Amino acid sequence: ELKVEQNPLFLSMQEGKNYTIYCNYSTTSDRLYWYRQDPGKSLESLFVLLSNGAVKQEGRLMASLDTKARLSTLHITAAVHDLSATYFCAVDITQGGSEKLVFGKGTKLTVNP
Amino acid sequence: SAVISQKPSRDICQRGTSLTIQCQVDSQVTMMFWYRQQPGQSLTLIATANQGSEATYESGFVIDKFPISRPNLTFSTLTVSNMSPEDSSIYLCSARDRTYYEQYFGPGTRLTVT
Repeated sequence: ELKVEQNPLFLSMQEGKNYTIYCNYSTTSDRLYWYRQDPGKSLESLFVLLSNGAVKQEGRLMASLDTKARLSTLHITAAVHDLSATYFCAVDITQGGSEKLVFGKGTKLTVNP
Repeated sequence: SAVISQKPSRDICQRGTSLTIQCQVDSQVTMMFWYRQQPGQSLTLIATANQGSEATYESGFVIDKFPISRPNLTFSTLTVSNMSPEDSSIYLCSARDRTYYEQYFGPGTRLTVT
């Protein structure tokens, strides 16, 4: 059974600091997704990483994928309060001939002034 | 990008009744999915909605409880049948653009069963 493990599950950080969220998964996959969810809202797509070594950056967030290590990271640079949200990684797998996303438990990020 | 709408956005239902949730995508997509999310929890895939054939259900979910239709490439419905309080959750429709591998989510339907 595929396991997708995020850590930390809860992260409280100060504005201006840097931090990394880790996403480990237990099966072979070349595609990994990062989403953001604000309270009471749906999921917003942040990054789609499609191959080993992929790196994408948007503003203060940068995501990378190492398919050999089965590891993706979401790095936060100089955090600001607006980044407070829950971040999910999701691994794309093919099972029974169809593709699907399997989600981690999410990392609840709180950025304090 | 695809924009997904869901109806209803929320509902309060009596135990033993059924509710059908509609999902509309503003463009044709190859794949549509239904997820469930308990408050404060992660997302669990219920099924893949296949156009023109029966949905593919994940372990722990069955067609009698969660019948799904997908009559075309932009629309799907999920019915939650014979509801119990344990079915109280947020139900999310999702669609994938296979060309770019983007997967989008609808705003969700918040269901409360009393």
